[in-house]
Amino acid sequence: SQELEQSPQSLIVQEGKNLTINCTSSKTLYGLYWYKQKYGEGLIFLMMLQKGGEEKSHEKITAKLDEKKQQSSLHITASQPSHAGIYLCVGGSQGNLIFGKGTKLSVKP
Amino acid sequence: DTGVSQDPRHKITKRGQNVTFRCDPISEHNRLYWYRQTLGQGPEFLTYFQNEAQLEKSRLLSDRFSAERPKGSFSTLEIQRTEQGDSAMYLCASSLDGALGKKLFFGSGTQLSVL
Repeated sequence: SQELEQSPQSLIVQEGKNLTINCTSSKTLYGLYWYKQKYGEGLIFLMMLQKGGEEKSHEKITAKLDEKKQQSSLHITASQPSHAGIYLCVGGSQGNLIFGKGTKLSVKP
Repeated sequence: DTGVSQDPRHKITKRGQNVTFRCDPISEHNRLYWYRQTLGQGPEFLTYFQNEAQLEKSRLLSDRFSAERPKGSFSTLEIQRTEQGDSAMYLCASSLDGALGKKLFFGSGTQLSVL
């Protein structure tokens, strides 16, 4: 069965630092999504990537999908406390869409 | 577009009781997904529907769990003979397969507590 591995599991960074979260699939993906979740809140859509080599940016967050469509990275530039939360990649190679286990990000002021 | 709605938001039940959750997807969305999330973990896939057809079920979905989407619109997830291990957030998501890709829209979830 397909799995999405996220790394690291958790991350503590100083405010203003850059960071990268990775998501690796055991199979070629149809598409990949990045969501953010904060405790007590719903899932917030960040990016959707469908093409190999695709890269998208929104504010200080950039997401990339590799050419083989098996690996994605999420990069945050100049992190802020508002970036804290759990980052989840979601993807699938067929009909279902599965989640990675998440990366918990803490940003120290 | 009112988004994906789930009902109830919270459910407290005693072990052994049956519970049913409802999910109303965005009206034109033909795909509907159910996930379960426990504290500190990412959501785990349970099942998904394409219109009224249930196309895949996770191994997590024991025979105590059943999901339906009878008319291809709203869906229900029933848990029979609840156990304490069923305590979790149950999330529903919907998407439009086709022109807009598969962007998932999530409901706020139903938090189940089994005492």
